[in-house]
Amino acid sequence: GQSLEQPSEVTAVEGAIVQINCTYQTSGFYGLSWYQQHDGGAPTFLSYNGLDGLEETGRFSSFLSRSDSYGYLLLQELQMKDSASYFCAVRKNNQGGKLIFGQGTELSVKP
Amino acid sequence: NAGVTQTPKFQVLKTGQSMTLQCAQDMNHNSMYWYRQDPGMGLRLIYYSASEGTTDKGEVPNGYNVSRLNKREFSLRLESAAPSQTSVYFCASRAPTGDHEQYFGPGTRLTVT
Repeated sequence: GQSLEQPSEVTAVEGAIVQINCTYQTSGFYGLSWYQQHDGGAPTFLSYNGLDGLEETGRFSSFLSRSDSYGYLLLQELQMKDSASYFCAVRKNNQGGKLIFGQGTELSVKP
Repeated sequence: NAGVTQTPKFQVLKTGQSMTLQCAQDMNHNSMYWYRQDPGMGLRLIYYSASEGTTDKGEVPNGYNVSRLNKREFSLRLESAAPSQTSVYFCASRAPTGDHEQYFGPGTRLTVT
């Protein structure tokens, strides 16, 4: 089978740094993506890791360790607008780019 | 450039009724996807189409059918709606090989009573 695990909720204060972890079990792993979804909105793409290591995009970074089946999303200099749900998603190998999503982590940023 | 569009935005059906959810993209993407999202949950793939003329089942295909009408359009049909199909349905598309981002439409909120 396949599964992804991430914490259901995380709370942090404005200006802080928060890390959202994701562990996965799947066959045919190709890469790990992260998506953000605000309440009532559509998911939007944040980052993708196909190789081990850190990818940085502005205030957001994402990390992957294929040997540990583990990744994380790091959000720095938190802002109120970062309050949203964050989903990790495994991209499967050679299957039309399809994604298997985790259940999401709801991030609340407090003033 | 409208991106990915979905119609309708909201729909209420009675058990047993049928309907088709429409999705179109104007980005010349090859791959298109249908997901459902239940409250407090992640997205689950219903069907996908890697390219025009092909469709494949995802994680939860039962009770649904799809049509890849052309490169732009990918529709999802519920033949006989059930309360368990109450959900938010998202369509997404992805550019050809090399692009890892899926672009999502605004969603259709479906209630089956």
